[in-house]
Amino acid sequence: DAGVTQSPTHLIKTRGQQVTLRCSPKSGHDTVSWYQQALGQGPQFIFQYYEEEERQRGNFPDRFSGHQFPNYSSELNVNALLLGDSALYLCASSPGLAGKRFGPGTRLTVL
Amino acid sequence: ELKVEQNPLFLSMQEGKNYTIYCNYSTTSDRLYWYRQDPGKSLESLFVLLSNGAVKQEGRLMASLDTKARLSTLHITAAVHDLSATYFCAGEPITQGGSEKLVFGKGTKLTVNP
Repeated sequence: DAGVTQSPTHLIKTRGQQVTLRCSPKSGHDTVSWYQQALGQGPQFIFQYYEEEERQRGNFPDRFSGHQFPNYSSELNVNALLLGDSALYLCASSPGLAGKRFGPGTRLTVL
Repeated sequence: ELKVEQNPLFLSMQEGKNYTIYCNYSTTSDRLYWYRQDPGKSLESLFVLLSNGAVKQEGRLMASLDTKARLSTLHITAAVHDLSATYFCAGEPITQGGSEKLVFGKGTKLTVNP
């Protein structure tokens, strides 16, 4: 059984560009959360999706948006990239209230 | 708003020694997580502590939760080099709506020296 998968693994963009990151949750998990982890910091919650709706959002600007599809997979979109958006982006899935399983992450570098 | 503080942030210890990482949180969080992260890698789930007095052990690691003191500890027994990593605790405030976000501490970077 595959766990949480994310794509791409690494990504390099320039300032002002847009990026889309993808996440497939573990089988049987219906809730997907996205986190941003800057170098040397703990992960910061971006938002959470359940039943194709954004259920909760952290302190991130509207440049960060997302989507969940009927198969529970999810996308994170970031517009107008800034240098400060360089980070490891982690996707976590969970079956409701159970423990959260994290994917391998996407390393985004903004030049 | 839930805040999570870990200490120490950096820990260098010798193989064979014991040590404890502390995780304090500011408001009610009946569910506490511990994760391990190796350099450049994702988070590996270690423990989920669900109730007051919960204690879980896996190998040389033991985690406990005291909800009254708003404190969780991760105890390392007879450390070995393979335990070198960054350890994060995270709180999850439970609301009526169900599963909420995780709020992470800054992490404890553990280095075990031979």
